[in-house]
Amino acid sequence: EAGVAQSPRYKIIEKRQSVAFWCNPISGHATLYWYQQILGQGPKLLIQFQNNGVVDDSQLPKDRFSAERLKGVDSTLKIQPAKLEDSAVYLCASSLDLDSSYEQYFGPGTRLTVT
Amino acid sequence: GENVEQHPSTLSVQEGDSAVIKCTYSDSASNYFPWYKQELGKGPQLIIDIRSNVGEKKDQRIAVTLNKTAKHFSLHITETQPEDSAVYFCAASHTGGFKTIFGAGTRLFVKA
Repeated sequence: EAGVAQSPRYKIIEKRQSVAFWCNPISGHATLYWYQQILGQGPKLLIQFQNNGVVDDSQLPKDRFSAERLKGVDSTLKIQPAKLEDSAVYLCASSLDLDSSYEQYFGPGTRLTVT
Repeated sequence: GENVEQHPSTLSVQEGDSAVIKCTYSDSASNYFPWYKQELGKGPQLIIDIRSNVGEKKDQRIAVTLNKTAKHFSLHITETQPEDSAVYFCAASHTGGFKTIFGAGTRLFVKA
């Protein structure tokens, strides 16, 4: 079974530029999560989707971050404009559903460096 | 806000010894407690989890205990091996993975 795919793996941008990350979850997984992991810290949940609907975006900095999951499969996370403090690894995870099988499986992440 | 505290931040053990990592959570509504292992350059990998209706769960050399009254849960690794060296994260969430909060991580070194 293929795992969670993310691209790109690495991205370097200057502050005030925009950037987008892509995630393809495990086939059949209805729930998708985006996390931000700053170096030396645990992942921080940014947004959670169930199919193509947002179920929790309480920690998403909505003035600069946006995310969508069209057709309930792939998802993109965008930052516009980027700040220095956005330098982090952005992790995507998916789980089967919300009812009984909500173990999260993570992708390899995208390492963002903002200069 | 709600948080998960994890201790120790670094743990060094001799091969064959046991390792214990402890977490405390604050959200009373949390009822799902997964543990993840993260190796350099990779995403976290689920190694074991426990739900609030269970006090202990074992899987070969790994065990997790939960004390809901005290809001504590712990990871126990027995007969450690060099390949167990990694960063370990605890997390707490509501049913369905809602409101998932991770601890800050424990870097485990297993010396051969």
